Amino acid sequence: DTGVSQDPRHKITKRGQNVTFRCDPISEHNRLYWYRQTLGQGPEFLTYFQNEAQLEKSRLLSDRFSAERPKGSFSTLEIQRTEQGDSAMYLCASSSHRSNTEAFFGQGTRLTVV
Amino acid sequence: AQTVTQSQPEMSVQEAETVTLSCTYDTSESDYYLFWYKQPPSRQMILVIRQEAYKQQNATENRFSVNFQKAAKSFSLKISDSQLGDAAMYFCAYRSGVRGGSQGNLIFGKGTKLSVKP
Repeated sequence: DTGVSQDPRHKITKRGQNVTFRCDPISEHNRLYWYRQTLGQGPEFLTYFQNEAQLEKSRLLSDRFSAERPKGSFSTLEIQRTEQGDSAMYLCASSSHRSNTEAFFGQGTRLTVV
Repeated sequence: AQTVTQSQPEMSVQEAETVTLSCTYDTSESDYYLFWYKQPPSRQMILVIRQEAYKQQNATENRFSVNFQKAAKSFSLKISDSQLGDAAMYFCAYRSGVRGGSQGNLIFGKGTKLSVKP
């Protein structure tokens, strides 16, 4: 197992364009999380999946953001009509459903909106 | 709502010396977990150490140990015999326990940037 994988690592887009990021969690992990990290801040929770069900969404997740995990494996995060304020590192993490297990993070996708 | 505060934006330590990073948190829950994560430049975040709130004994992982003061809601990280590879951003994080209906998401502080001088 190679850990949590995210693609792409970097994305530069023009304001108003749509972007989609992919996260492949550790294979036996049924929990998957998306976080956003801006410069000088800690990661902030965006949304959470248990298997294919999206069970929680932060108020940070505006209606321009949508996330899916169609078969309970990989997940996608789409941002529509990107704004400069969307520029950030988007982190994916996965964990087992067992309560005392840690979350493993991917390397993140750095989005720059110009 | 739970909050995590790291009051030291930057810290510096001489190689082989000891450094302590501070973290305080606020919660009304009794069942929770605390973590320290390390984020090296351009690399993924990795877990350094974990503490279950119900355990009185401070967690230790090799050169890393915590001072968990539950009543004071303080959770500091001590790095002994600092190495150049310890240079990174360090994030303190909180997670509610299962009894609180936790979905497992983490609440992070703003981080402390640790520099190690050779």
